[in-house]
Amino acid sequence: TQLLEQSPQFLSIQEGENLTVYCNSSSVFSSLQWYRQEPGEGPVLLVTVVTGGEVKKLKRLTFQFGDARKDSSLHITAAQTGDTGLYLCAGGPTKIIFGKGTRLHILP
Amino acid sequence: NAGVTQTPKFRVLKTGQSMTLLCAQDMNHEYMYWYRQDPGMGLRLIHYSVGEGTTAKGEVPDGYNVSRLKKQNFLLGLESAAPSQTSVYFCASSNGHRTLSYSNQPQHFGDGTRLSIL
Repeated sequence: TQLLEQSPQFLSIQEGENLTVYCNSSSVFSSLQWYRQEPGEGPVLLVTVVTGGEVKKLKRLTFQFGDARKDSSLHITAAQTGDTGLYLCAGGPTKIIFGKGTRLHILP
Repeated sequence: NAGVTQTPKFRVLKTGQSMTLLCAQDMNHEYMYWYRQDPGMGLRLIHYSVGEGTTAKGEVPDGYNVSRLKKQNFLLGLESAAPSQTSVYFCASSNGHRTLSYSNQPQHFGDGTRLSIL
């Protein structure tokens, strides 16, 4: 069974700190997406990574796709309270599956 | 600039009742999806459509039916609601470009329908 494991499940840090969250699978993915979901709202697509080793930046967020296309990471520099939310990764070789997410809380 | 609109936003049903959730998108997207989100389970695909008049089963289709009579609308039906169907339901869409496989993945989500079955 194809699975996407996200870690950590929960993360609470002070504003201004840096953090990294991870998305891992035993399968090779053709592409992988990261979303952020805030309470009471639907997920919002942040980025899609397609090529092994690819790095994409979105302001203070840096997304990396592993060389073997089995894993990805999201690094946030100088976290802000507005970064609080549930971060989801999704992808698959054929059928798309979602990880269970990392719930991030940035303390003021 | 509405994007994906879901109605209703909240609903409480009794076991055995039926209802239809409506999803509308104004982006002329080919692909539409219905997901459910449950604590500890993540988002799971119920049904999806790759174009007007087409539907296909996802990961958890039992107890649900769907229709895509118009390109902009995707309906999710519960014929006989059960407590196990208590969940938050999300509709999503994507442009499904033929040569870009990742464009088949959901790109825009609605804000969800919170459904409770008593």
